[in-house]
Amino acid sequence: DIQMTQSPSSLSASVGDRVTITCRASQSITSYLNWYQQKPGKAPKLLIYAASRLESGVPSRFSGSGSGTDLTLTISSLQPEDFATYYCQQSYSTPWTFGQGTKVEIK
Amino acid sequence: QVQLQESGPGLVKPSETLSLTCTVSGGSISTYYWSWIRQPPGKGLEWIGYIYYSGTTNYNPSLKSRVTMSVDTSKNQFSLNLSSVTAADTAVYFCARVTPMVTFNLDYWGQGTLVTVSS
Repeated sequence: DIQMTQSPSSLSASVGDRVTITCRASQSITSYLNWYQQKPGKAPKLLIYAASRLESGVPSRFSGSGSGTDLTLTISSLQPEDFATYYCQQSYSTPWTFGQGTKVEIK
Repeated sequence: QVQLQESGPGLVKPSETLSLTCTVSGGSISTYYWSWIRQPPGKGLEWIGYIYYSGTTNYNPSLKSRVTMSVDTSKNQFSLNLSSVTAADTAVYFCARVTPMVTFNLDYWGQGTLVTVSS
């Protein structure tokens, strides 16, 4: 199985901050990486697919980059509605695996 | 707008079989893959497997011996059976659509249903 490790596991940030979350794969996954946002009690929501492609309807302050083993999610200017937990997920090979999550909290 | 809705018992006894159904509305179940994902309380996400509308399946090896998925295109539904459950199977179970857009991604999700394994 491909292990996905996110860092940090949690972070505190203020509205307007630039936030970067990293996802490291245990082997190359090229660009087979998706990012999801999950709020408490809700289902995950797809933000970014194929490492850098913005899902329809997702604000442009979200962006993804990278390929291979190190990929990142960036929120350019954190908004109040962005406080949530973020997960990366590889679909390079089955079993598909998720990172452990990064909780973004209000500073 | 595609919508997914999980249904099934919220309480299952140890050693019994967990059975859930996902009903798809606003679109056809055909031509897509459909997946189950679970999340133990306070923990991360675990992919259980997927089923193609034709019936082809791919299961997580960690659960493969206990998982069966099926699809009913006439009802626009797909289902999950997980046998011999234990307390470790207590989780919120989500169904989701898999879209092969460049990569496979989970673009529509159900709201999730909590299944507790307890006697």
